[in-house]
Amino acid sequence: AQSVAQPEDQVNVAEGNPLTVKCTYSVSGNPYLFWYVQYPNRGLQFLLKYITGDNLVKGSYGFEAEFNKSQTSFHLKKPSALVSDSALYFCAVRDGNGGFKTIFGAGTRLFVKA
Amino acid sequence: GAGVSQTPSNKVTEKGKYVELRCDPISGHTALYWYRQSLGQGPEFLIYFQGTGAADDSGLPNDRFFAVRPEGSVSTLKIQRTERGDSAVYLCASSPQGIATYNEQFFGPGTRLTVL
Repeated sequence: AQSVAQPEDQVNVAEGNPLTVKCTYSVSGNPYLFWYVQYPNRGLQFLLKYITGDNLVKGSYGFEAEFNKSQTSFHLKKPSALVSDSALYFCAVRDGNGGFKTIFGAGTRLFVKA
Repeated sequence: GAGVSQTPSNKVTEKGKYVELRCDPISGHTALYWYRQSLGQGPEFLIYFQGTGAADDSGLPNDRFFAVRPEGSVSTLKIQRTERGDSAVYLCASSPQGIATYNEQFFGPGTRLTVL
């Protein structure tokens, strides 16, 4: 069965510092991995995805994520955090071997302090 | 262009009543998903449509929940005999994926359902 774990309920970081939001996954086939962000009073927005190829993927708003197959992880990163990055971040996985169901993690709230 | 829209934005009903939640996907998107998001949780998959047919309804919690997409565009999620535990935000998402399952999903703003 597919599953996603986001071990941190909240991540606090100072503006200008690098940030990491952690995600580990479990899937029987090849994973398709996604990060979405949810701002207050707005719908979920796609940030980036890993399908195949380069383990480091770049996405919107300067975010990137690194796929690590041996650790079954897909951590979200940004070199320099902005106050406007404060939001709720969700990691999601889909079984790349024909599965349609997307499983989301419980979310990590990122708080960037000025 | 227009994104995914959902109506109503809020729905308050009494226990035991029937409700319908509507989703208008992005034009041309063949894939449509319904999710349920409870407070403090991530979206929970309910059902996936490819065109008019439900390709995967394994996430529907019980037979009180049903969804349709008769013309391959607008979808309606129907909940019979609502229970207080059904209270949540119901999210709809669409994707242009066809048979490709790696496309990202575009989410609507959700319908907040409250069952009193």
